[in-house]
Amino acid sequence: EVQLLESGGDLVQPGGSLRLSCAASGFTFSNYAMIWVRQAPGKGLEWLSSISDSGGITYYIPSVRGRFTISRDNSKNTLYLYLNSLRAEDTAVYYCAKSPSGTESKPESWGQGTLVTVSS
Amino acid sequence: QSVLTQPPSASGTPGQWVILSCSGNTSNIGRNTVTWYQKLAGTAPKLLIDNHNQRPSGVPDRISASKSGTSASLAISGLQSEDEAEYYCASWDASLRTVVFGGGTKLTVL
Repeated sequence: EVQLLESGGDLVQPGGSLRLSCAASGFTFSNYAMIWVRQAPGKGLEWLSSISDSGGITYYIPSVRGRFTISRDNSKNTLYLYLNSLRAEDTAVYYCAKSPSGTESKPESWGQGTLVTVSS
Repeated sequence: QSVLTQPPSASGTPGQWVILSCSGNTSNIGRNTVTWYQKLAGTAPKLLIDNHNQRPSGVPDRISASKSGTSASLAISGLQSEDEAEYYCASWDASLRTVVFGGGTKLTVL
């Protein structure tokens, strides 16, 4: 059974940084692309970024490119999202998701999410 | 403003058939597959219809999807109270080089 467990969410001041982690189990992590999606309070789902199975190909939405960095450690079955220069509008539940393939960027399985709150 | 357009709300009575729409353009739905997700309040999203227009194990066959041109739709027949949730469509956008979601449709079972 696919399991994705996010961690690292916290209350952080504007301009601050965080590292989110997603521990994966139940599948061969290195064979699948991984994705981050967020949902701000009262808003819909927003796709943020994806990384291919090898880590060689990454995509970002414009509003986070240059501030957020996706990475993965296939030896640790862990996906990361580094969040820098955080803004109030980055407040959201951040979901880690597994792709159905090594390159597909749409989610198949989802974690339960971790809450990031950006506030002074 | 979402790239894919979904009506914010829809409703139906138990046993009814409802159709949820998702409108895009030639950069996304017009040339790429559409996936659909269900989200219950306070829980993680769940895949309803995958890239191959198939239902994952556990999704009832009264849920189906279709696509025509730059629009897609999700049909739910025999509406049940457990179907009350938010529904999102998603597609790869070749111009933006990102996945785009619709704004979501909140389905209420009256």
